[in-house]
Amino acid sequence: RKEVEQDPGPFNVPEGATVAFNCTYSNSASQSFFWYRQDCRKEPKLLMSVYSSGNEDGRFTAQLNRASQYISLLIRDSKLSDSATYLCVVKFTGGGNKLTFGTGTQLKVEL
Amino acid sequence: GAVVSQHPSRVICKSGTSVKIECRSLDFQATTMFWYRQFPKQSLMLMATSNEGSKATYEQGVEKDKFLINHASLTLSTLTVTSAHPEDSSFYICSALSGGAWGETQYFGPGTRLLVL
Repeated sequence: RKEVEQDPGPFNVPEGATVAFNCTYSNSASQSFFWYRQDCRKEPKLLMSVYSSGNEDGRFTAQLNRASQYISLLIRDSKLSDSATYLCVVKFTGGGNKLTFGTGTQLKVEL
Repeated sequence: GAVVSQHPSRVICKSGTSVKIECRSLDFQATTMFWYRQFPKQSLMLMATSNEGSKATYEQGVEKDKFLINHASLTLSTLTVTSAHPEDSSFYICSALSGGAWGETQYFGPGTRLLVL
């Protein structure tokens, strides 16, 4: 079983739609959680950290469920520029500052 | 945010040659840098942790004699792919660890595309 699992997609949605991505992690001793965005042939960029109480940044909302070992990302009012691959990233306790990446979920926002 | 550069951005080399990739933190000092590799449609895989002034720590399955890492200063880490083979063709990305009020954050370089013919 992969340490961090995501549905690879692609998710094809019309502009203005709301879309949600899910991610599960296998190591219960997980410390920190992040969503990164990676555009085609580019490096990943931090989108947002995920906090236990859930957090929102504009059109983006992240949720964490430690009991189910599950993280989600909700994007409201999708824009064409949101098209990218969204990477679920986990930092495990005892792993130092190492990050473990999921394979990513591809989003395509269409007119 | 902090800036990390990589050089070269892309390189094509012949099988059997060595390729050096540089990773620089431009506006902060980084005692720790990380080297990742990403194959098409796969996730980033950590290859090694580069520590300034000491030996790198390699992940399981990564050959330290093939992927030489040198972290000679607080702003520069280099990865040398020795005796490159076509299967080493990949996207190599570095990151640098920056401390801050909210903890440490990894900032990624733009990556280096390596094609071994």
